[in-house]
Amino acid sequence: GAGVSQSPSNKVTEKGKDVELRCDPISGHTALYWYRQSLGQGLEFLIYFQGNSAPDKSGLPSDRFSAERTGGSVSTLTIQRTQQEDSAVYLCASSLSRGATEAFFGQGTRLTVV
Amino acid sequence: DAKTTQPPSMDCAEGRAANLPCNHSTISGNEYVYWYRQIHSQGPQYIIHGLKNNETNEMASLIITEDRKSSTLILPHATLRDTAVYYCIVRPFDFGNEKLTFGTGTRLTIIP
Repeated sequence: GAGVSQSPSNKVTEKGKDVELRCDPISGHTALYWYRQSLGQGLEFLIYFQGNSAPDKSGLPSDRFSAERTGGSVSTLTIQRTQQEDSAVYLCASSLSRGATEAFFGQGTRLTVV
Repeated sequence: DAKTTQPPSMDCAEGRAANLPCNHSTISGNEYVYWYRQIHSQGPQYIIHGLKNNETNEMASLIITEDRKSSTLILPHATLRDTAVYYCIVRPFDFGNEKLTFGTGTRLTIIP
């Protein structure tokens, strides 16, 4: 596709379950970001991947959150033992190269923990 | 930690210029000013960025003060589709430290 693709678009899960959110960046983009946005709030940085460099994980809120990027392309954000406060829209973005002008965002995955 | 300060909300009449201010008094020499906007239920969209010179593109103009401590995003002829939350972001241009840190932004409402 032409843009950043995220799946699923919506996810409802029970408290305590694990979830995986997927991000397909724009082909050739080496930088990939994950953010989350709680209802009515701004974007909270989670993690940043750049090429083969070690990811910047400084925004992950707890050790229940992890992310990986396989082959420098697709990324998966995993939340273990979900809690109600994890309910949010999770946004992925990619950009062409380090320091590139523009980050392109996906439409997000709306996660609801019940 | 967001390094910018923006008014929480603004209104602008359709067809008029919308001027959105941003304060970034602690900006460093290697940091750019970026603007993104987020229309309801969509992911953020890049608008423009600059270092110290004023910039213009097809969407907007960016005016940065000479001391770089503040800037203004100008939408020259606002339309209803410009209603969105506008984020002013200071972004370092350092290897390995280029994440975008969003603040709370300005909710701009275009009034018909």
